[in-house]
Amino acid sequence: DAGITQSPRHKVTETGTPVTLRCHQTENHRYMYWYRQDPGHGLRLIHYSYGVKDTDKGEVSDGYSVSRSKTEDFLLTLESATSSQTSVYFCAISDRVTDEQYFGPGTRLTVT
Amino acid sequence: EDQVTQSPEALRLQEGESSSLNCSYTVSGLRGLFWYRQDPGKGPEFLFTLYSAGEEKEKERLKATLTKKESFLHITAPKPEDSATYLCAVQIKGGADGLTFGKGTHLIIQP
Repeated sequence: DAGITQSPRHKVTETGTPVTLRCHQTENHRYMYWYRQDPGHGLRLIHYSYGVKDTDKGEVSDGYSVSRSKTEDFLLTLESATSSQTSVYFCAISDRVTDEQYFGPGTRLTVT
Repeated sequence: EDQVTQSPEALRLQEGESSSLNCSYTVSGLRGLFWYRQDPGKGPEFLFTLYSAGEEKEKERLKATLTKKESFLHITAPKPEDSATYLCAVQIKGGADGLTFGKGTHLIIQP
């Protein structure tokens, strides 16, 4: 998985609770991304980062926030989880030399 | 609106039976087209990047090609271990920096 870890790998939480997912990379890549994958939708971009403290919104950013205080870590926060945020979340990294993105193993989040 | 459509949604082949997967795209400007393989419960695994019409790339039994409107992933003499979901994605010129994905083709190779 190209030196990418995600934690936790599985989480069950209740509606209304805050949740933070972590992506950690050992490749020193500048660009990091968060996607969600749902049946019938494919992968969709939530937020991305192009450097420490530099982030931007993707296609489905409502209800999510991100932070990047170090090159190696990119955090995705659901401030108040809803059932519609039940999904599998993938982190990806890119060095932008080749534009290729490499994905982590994913976090399966269930909001009850 | 930028759009990526993959067909068929699912494909079942016999071992050794060659076929092609299609990815058609409608985008304002193509920066690159990507193919990934995804196994159940895992993250997508990068296969190929194509940048311009006429470009081709090969890896083992897989060959990806690109035209101005679509890309094909050709699978020659597939083996059961080629069973997976194959994802196509595009990166748009001047757009958000992420990838826009199709819904994938679920490929099953029967022994």
